[in-house]
Amino acid sequence: GENVEQHPSTLSVQEGDSAVIKCTYSDSASNYFPWYKQELGKGPQLIIDIRSNVGEKKDQRIAVTLNKTAKHFSLHITETQPEDSAVYFCAAPDPGDGQNFVFGPGTRLSVLP
Amino acid sequence: DTEVTQTPKHLVMGMTNKKSLKCEQHMGHRAMYWYKQKAKKPPELMFVYSYEKLSINESVPSRFSPECPNSSLLNLHLHALQPEDSALYLCASSLLPTVANTEAFFGQGTRLTVV
Repeated sequence: GENVEQHPSTLSVQEGDSAVIKCTYSDSASNYFPWYKQELGKGPQLIIDIRSNVGEKKDQRIAVTLNKTAKHFSLHITETQPEDSAVYFCAAPDPGDGQNFVFGPGTRLSVLP
Repeated sequence: DTEVTQTPKHLVMGMTNKKSLKCEQHMGHRAMYWYKQKAKKPPELMFVYSYEKLSINESVPSRFSPECPNSSLLNLHLHALQPEDSALYLCASSLLPTVANTEAFFGQGTRLTVV
């Protein structure tokens, strides 16, 4: 089955700086990679995703890059703000049945004012 | 409307109680999911309903009983739970039951405490 690793587990940045979170996956057939943001006491919220036919996708201050050869994808947040503080999860489809995601262990991002 | 609504937000129940969690979506999604999330961990899949039929049960104990009355509703019936079942229970939905091709949206979760 799919194995998703995520680094770092915690990340602290100064407000205005950039943050990068990296995930690696094991199944070369995986073709869809979402990123979820989870604030304290709330459910995960989809913030951006990328499909395997593109190498990069951007939405305002958030971007995701995908390297299929190396089997890794990264979340980039520029001009960080305190409200970006949350736990971020990457995910990849479970190839076994395609009906489930395998989540990374999460990254706790703290943006210091 | 991209909302998945879960009720209640918080629930405290004794080990002999019977309670139910409810999830609702009106996006026309045909796949609905129950996840369990412990503190500082990612969500773990419990059940998947595809076109209102149970398609995946991740070896969940029978004290958790899912039900999908129609395409918009998903329930999780709880009976004789243990303190270690205390967690955040998340419902999610996606347009199609193949997550590789479609976004999944999560509800806010029910914070369950078993005493």
